[in-house]
Amino acid sequence: AQRVTQPEKLLSVFKGAPVELKCNYSYSGSPELFWYVQYSRQRLQLLLRHISRESIKGFTADLNKGETSFHLKKPFAQEEDSAMYYCALWYSGGSNYKLTFGKGTLLTVNP
Amino acid sequence: DGGITQSPKYLFRKEGQNVTLSCEQNLNHDAMYWYRQDPGQGLRLIYYSQIVNDFQKGDIAEGYSVSREKKESFPLTVTSAQKNPTAFYLCASSIEGQGFMNTEAFFGQGTRLTVV
Repeated sequence: AQRVTQPEKLLSVFKGAPVELKCNYSYSGSPELFWYVQYSRQRLQLLLRHISRESIKGFTADLNKGETSFHLKKPFAQEEDSAMYYCALWYSGGSNYKLTFGKGTLLTVNP
Repeated sequence: DGGITQSPKYLFRKEGQNVTLSCEQNLNHDAMYWYRQDPGQGLRLIYYSQIVNDFQKGDIAEGYSVSREKKESFPLTVTSAQKNPTAFYLCASSIEGQGFMNTEAFFGQGTRLTVV
């Protein structure tokens, strides 16, 4: 079954430290993966998508098909990065397409 | 101002009553989704619709119903059959579900439903 796993519910780092939010997926097809972020009192929004291979707000994520992972990384965390982060997978279920999310990781960046 | 709007923001319901949550979008998106967000559970898909007059069950559809009579509207009814309805509900839309798997999903602000 298609699944997205985020093993850490909570992650706490200090400002300026590197941060890595883990995401693993299970999908037999070609995955389309995303990271979404939800800042306090704001709506859930797209952070980045693997197909774009972009860096947003200093975050990057590389798709590793061998390890079925899509970890989110930032070399120097900032306090404003504190938020809930969700890894998401688009997949095809026959003629239907679904967007499924992991359980999320709450990142806290301490001063 | 384009976007996706959910109403109301807070909703209280007596046990045993049905309640309908509104979701409207003016982004001209074909696909719309309903998710339920619970602490520690992440987002779980309730129903989704890729086109008007068509919708499919998600992972936790029991106790919920939807309709998609108009492209811009995708209301969710939480029925009395839903055993644990108190939750935060999120509606989302995207350009098109099929064939656009790398497309962004846009989310509403959410509706917090409390059963009293």
